[in-house]
Amino acid sequence: NAGVTQTPKFRVLKTGQSMTLLCAQDMNHEYMYWYRQDPGMGLRLIHYSVGEGTTAKGEVPDGYNVSRLKKQNFLLGLESAAPSQTSVYFCASRTRGGGEQYFGPGTRLTVT
Amino acid sequence: LAKTTQPISMDSYEGQEVNITCSHNNIATNDYITWYQQFPSQGPRFIIQGYKTKVTNEVASLFIPADRKSSTLSLPRVSLSDTAVYYCLVGGKGAGSYQLTFGKGTKLSVIP
Repeated sequence: NAGVTQTPKFRVLKTGQSMTLLCAQDMNHEYMYWYRQDPGMGLRLIHYSVGEGTTAKGEVPDGYNVSRLKKQNFLLGLESAAPSQTSVYFCASRTRGGGEQYFGPGTRLTVT
Repeated sequence: LAKTTQPISMDSYEGQEVNITCSHNNIATNDYITWYQQFPSQGPRFIIQGYKTKVTNEVASLFIPADRKSSTLSLPRVSLSDTAVYYCLVGGKGAGSYQLTFGKGTKLSVIP
């Protein structure tokens, strides 16, 4: 099992550009999450999904959109990137009844 | 969801037992307490989870008093490789539950 994988690992964007971050999990987990982590800070929840075709907003959803067309994939989109979105993005997944979240290795995004 | 409060940082010498306490005064009846560990440039990793009394696994113990308003993560005989940030989270395990925020965590520095 690869667990949770994230693509890409690094990316540099110019202000106003768009991009999509891909999260994939091979553990058949129902729940998936996108977090951002700024330097010296804890993780903040952006969006989450409790199943295929369903998504919900977390603590800091503005400027992001998500889609969960397949159970194993959770996509995070930035339509018009801003410097304030420079951060490390982590994806996580877990089973419906479990408390443990499994995290991916992260995507380091810089917006100039 | 219940908010948590934990020390910002702690120092310990190698070989000592480390106890990190987390306060969660407004924990709900169906909330569990979960601890994660995060190394630099990596995603958080699950350490331990509990509901009440004491839970022990191969890497840590979790002590939860009867009123469940706090919890203590205990790391026996720490080594340099235990230097990391430790996060305490409180939340449910059921459908639709999720953890809103990891907070800033406790940065543990193990000294040789």
